[in-house]
Amino acid sequence: GAGVSQSPSNKVTEKGKDVELRCDPISGHTALYWYRQSLGQGLEFLIYFQGNSAPDKSGLPSDRFSAERTGGSVSTLTIQRTQQEDSAVYLCASSWRTGRDTQYFGPGTRLTVL
Amino acid sequence: AQSVTQLGSHVSVSEGALVLLRCNYSSSVPPYLFWYVQYPNQGLQLLLKYTTGATLVKGINGFEAEFKKSETSFHLTKPSAHMSDAAEYFCAVSGSGGTSYGKLTFGQGTILTVHP
Repeated sequence: GAGVSQSPSNKVTEKGKDVELRCDPISGHTALYWYRQSLGQGLEFLIYFQGNSAPDKSGLPSDRFSAERTGGSVSTLTIQRTQQEDSAVYLCASSWRTGRDTQYFGPGTRLTVL
Repeated sequence: AQSVTQLGSHVSVSEGALVLLRCNYSSSVPPYLFWYVQYPNQGLQLLLKYTTGATLVKGINGFEAEFKKSETSFHLTKPSAHMSDAAEYFCAVSGSGGTSYGKLTFGQGTILTVHP
């Protein structure tokens, strides 16, 4: 079956602009996770959803970052007023349930802020 | 709280040689442990995972890892390296409970280079 998909695959934006990153999880997976991968910080957890609720937003780096999930499926990560330090690869993962089920990752969105 | 330390940011081996990638973890509860592989410009692919039970875990592509509680280690091995194994490898531990239950904490990654 189809895996986790993310769009766009690459996004170049100017400092100060808003961006939206999209994640389509594996069908039937109730849990969805966002991570960020950057050279300086490695792989960092941002937020996860169980259904449409986000029990853990502890990894969001600032209030410029927000995420939502609708219909228990697609999720959007929004970054407002982008800064150069936001440049990174944003990875989405999904799993059957929250907890310790295996997380399956998408290919990521590479964000470059000029 | 959980943490993962991968010893060696770069490992280089010859084709056919043993691959050993080291991972040590810290967890306040019995851990679930994972190894993921990342090929250039791709997402993460699960190699193997340890939950409970047998401490020697076999994964895809001939990799295996052994959970050693006394050493808090989960090292990844492969008896004979192939050129196609060249990639970056990440060890991860699953959250311990509460709202962090599903969150993965990753090590810094180890880049494996395989020489002909």
